[in-house]
Amino acid sequence: QVQLVQSGAEVKKSGASVKVSCKLSGYTLSALSRHWLRQAPGKGLEWMGGFEPEDGQMIYAEKFQGRVTMTEDTSTDTFYMELSSLKSEDTAVYYCATGRTTYATFDMWGQGTLVTVSS
Amino acid sequence: DIQMTQSPSSLSASVGDRVTITCRASLNIITYLNWYQQKPGKAPNLLIYAASTLQSGVPSRFSGSGSGTDFTLTISSLQPEDFATYYCQQSHTLPFTFGPGTKVDIK
Repeated sequence: QVQLVQSGAEVKKSGASVKVSCKLSGYTLSALSRHWLRQAPGKGLEWMGGFEPEDGQMIYAEKFQGRVTMTEDTSTDTFYMELSSLKSEDTAVYYCATGRTTYATFDMWGQGTLVTVSS
Repeated sequence: DIQMTQSPSSLSASVGDRVTITCRASLNIITYLNWYQQKPGKAPNLLIYAASTLQSGVPSRFSGSGSGTDFTLTISSLQPEDFATYYCQQSHTLPFTFGPGTKVDIK
């Protein structure tokens, strides 16, 4: 069974960093596109960045440039998202997602990780 | 950035109704358009990709159409499990952007 399992909820202070992990099971990470998205409470979905094999490099949304780092460990099929200089507006559920269909299409999602930023 | 809009923002419907949701892109995205369903407290689920291709495992009552800037998601006969929020997403240009969502609830 192919699935993505994310790390647990986090509570952080403003200015701190958070690192969320996403472990893939039942498939090989290197064969997939892999992305991070987020959803603030009661709001819509926002793409943060990710890797498309077609592009061959990690791409970040300009909004998060300089604050986000996405890494991966293909030996454990785990990928990570680290967001620094946290602000209250970063309070959201963070999702990892992968794709096997077409470019930038998110066909499998993790369960989500709630990150709460308090002042 | 490409702006995605959806209409309506919410709708009330009954089981068995035909439901249509519209998504519009601010620029021509050809058919680089995906649709997702999200239920409360759950991750989104891909329904349709490339504007009209049904994702494996998704019931055939869901269909998508359109190209360029105007797209439609149709549910031919609404079922109880279809009450959810629906999002469109463009995969044509970075950053990949989503519409604000359409909430479908029970009349």
